[in-house]
Amino acid sequence: DTGVSQNPRHKITKRGQNVTFRCDPISEHNRLYWYRQTLGQGPEFLTYFQNEAQLEKSRLLSDRFSAERPKGSFSTLEIQRTEQGDSAMYLCASSLSGAEFFGPGTRLTVL
Amino acid sequence: AQSVTQLDSQVPVFEEAPVELRCNYSSSVSVYLFWYVQYPNQGLQLLLKYLSGSTLVKGINGFEAEFNKSQTSFHLRKPSVHISDTAEYFCAVRQTGANNLFFGTGTRLTVIP
Repeated sequence: DTGVSQNPRHKITKRGQNVTFRCDPISEHNRLYWYRQTLGQGPEFLTYFQNEAQLEKSRLLSDRFSAERPKGSFSTLEIQRTEQGDSAMYLCASSLSGAEFFGPGTRLTVL
Repeated sequence: AQSVTQLDSQVPVFEEAPVELRCNYSSSVSVYLFWYVQYPNQGLQLLLKYLSGSTLVKGINGFEAEFNKSQTSFHLRKPSVHISDTAEYFCAVRQTGANNLFFGTGTRLTVIP
């Protein structure tokens, strides 16, 4: 399968803990995006990379959130000192041009 | 500012009947338009997109959508639905020059046997 992959698929953590998610985009795609989706809502944009450069960050991305794409391939999203409000599905997408292709998401539950 | 409105949060329809899922947008600049489908506990799958050219766009699984610039709409249609079409459908826009998609709140399509 050559689609976007994300790991882990599910993560349960206690409030205050740090978590890290990984996204492997489609190999030739230079653009990578992170979105967050809460129950009953559409995905909301968090951040965007072109190759290894993080070019845009949403105001939703608080200081506790950090994303990297060190070699322009896979990306990680880290949330420090998690809060219950961080519980959501975190979606990664990649594109070359035109449409974005989404991964299956990582569902985060903060207890 | 931009916004995407999916007026119907839920649409029940009988199997083999036609369906239309409505999407309206507002934007101060030109946009590209997309429809995605999300099955339970899965990511989003692209159904179709309008970037330029013909305003009638055909996608996967027998879906099509028509871009109407004067009405700022991009409604999704299928002439005959199947049980397997039961899912959440999201309309999304990208403003020209923008990096990200802006999504509507989704429409849950339930196909009744």
